[in-house]
Amino acid sequence: AQSVAQPEDQVNVAEGNPLTVKCTYSVSGNPYLFWYVQYPNRGLQFLLKYITGDNLVKGSYGFEAEFNKSQTSFHLKKPSALVSDSALYFCAVRDKRNTNAGKSTFGDGTTLTVKP
Amino acid sequence: DAGVIQSPRHEVTEMGQEVTLRCKPISGHNSLFWYRQTMMRGLELLIYFNNNVPIDDSGMPEDRFSAKMPNASFSTLKIQPSEPRDSAVYFCASSLKGAKNIQYFGAGTRLSVL
Repeated sequence: AQSVAQPEDQVNVAEGNPLTVKCTYSVSGNPYLFWYVQYPNRGLQFLLKYITGDNLVKGSYGFEAEFNKSQTSFHLKKPSALVSDSALYFCAVRDKRNTNAGKSTFGDGTTLTVKP
Repeated sequence: DAGVIQSPRHEVTEMGQEVTLRCKPISGHNSLFWYRQTMMRGLELLIYFNNNVPIDDSGMPEDRFSAKMPNASFSTLKIQPSEPRDSAVYFCASSLKGAKNIQYFGAGTRLSVL
């Protein structure tokens, strides 16, 4: 079984400040972890993923995420937020043992609002 | 590549009517997913296919919902008969087969059942 929790429905930050969007996961085996972003009236877009190797993963638009196995977390971060980063963010997990593409499990989403 | 193409973008129908949503995945992708997104339930996986074969349809809410993938470049999600509670945004996504691969989402179909 696999699950994802995004504990915050909403995150508000001021432009220029660092941002963090939290994600914790649970899988039976080892995880593949993903972050997606959804802008209004659009489909989800891939931001970054952790497959293996370095725990710090860098992705699109200056975002990064750190895989922490002991805390089963994969928090999304950005050193300096932009107003244009305001969107809905989804964390997703797949069990590495799942050989059938996979059923990803998505979190409930976190709405990020960056204020000027 | 044009990405995942969904049609129509918007659909308004009356309760009891049949609704068919269409999806063209990215060429070369061999996995296809149908999702539903609502404010109340968030993003739900309805069904996914590998190589045109349904692998997991446990998310399909009722027998009123059915999905087909007759070939690698086309899939449909049908609701018959439709009900107001089916109103949602329906997304199609495709990927290469394999758990580490990214899903590419279409722009979605916004369905309103009156």
